[in-house]
Amino acid sequence: EAGVAQSPRYKIIEKRQSVAFWCNPISGHATLYWYQQILGQGPKLLIQFQNNGVVDDSQLPKDRFSAERLKGVDSTLKIQPAKLEDSAVYLCASSDLAGGGPGEQFFGPGTRLTVL
Amino acid sequence: GDSVTQMEGPVTLSEEAFLTINCTYTATGYPSLFWYVQYPGEGLQLLLKATKADDKGSNKGFEATYRKETTSFHLEKGSVQVSDSAVYFCALIGNTGGFKTIFGAGTRLFVKA
Repeated sequence: EAGVAQSPRYKIIEKRQSVAFWCNPISGHATLYWYQQILGQGPKLLIQFQNNGVVDDSQLPKDRFSAERLKGVDSTLKIQPAKLEDSAVYLCASSDLAGGGPGEQFFGPGTRLTVL
Repeated sequence: GDSVTQMEGPVTLSEEAFLTINCTYTATGYPSLFWYVQYPGEGLQLLLKATKADDKGSNKGFEATYRKETTSFHLEKGSVQVSDSAVYFCALIGNTGGFKTIFGAGTRLFVKA
């Protein structure tokens, strides 16, 4: 079974530029998560989808971050404009439990973003 | 809101030593508790989990028991190996407000031969 795919793996941009990350979850997984992991910290949930609906986006900085999951499969996370403090690894994860219940989340390799 | 607190690292042990990584949590209701591990150069992967009080999760020689009375989920292993060197994350999924996942800050473990 293929794992969670993310691209790009690395991205370097200047502040105020925009950037987009892509995630393809494990086939059949209804729940998709985007996390931000700043160096030395644990992952922080940004947004959680069930199919193509948003379950939780309470920690997503909506003035600059947006995410969508069209057709309930793959997803994109966008930052516009980027700030220096957005430098982090962006992790995508998926889970096959309906409602995002207490099941295993499968993580992708992450996208390391550096904002200069 | 819900939170997870882990002991700070790094933790450095010799091979075959006993490992404990402390994790305590604050949550409303009855969350599910997890330990994830991140080996060097790899992505996060589930190590073990427990979904109700007094449950014990175990995998690869690691164990953790869900203690509701002390709101803890400490990770233990009787004899660590060099290959256990990694970053360990404690996490919870609350059962109120949409199953939100909260991770601890992570504890880096170094095991010396």
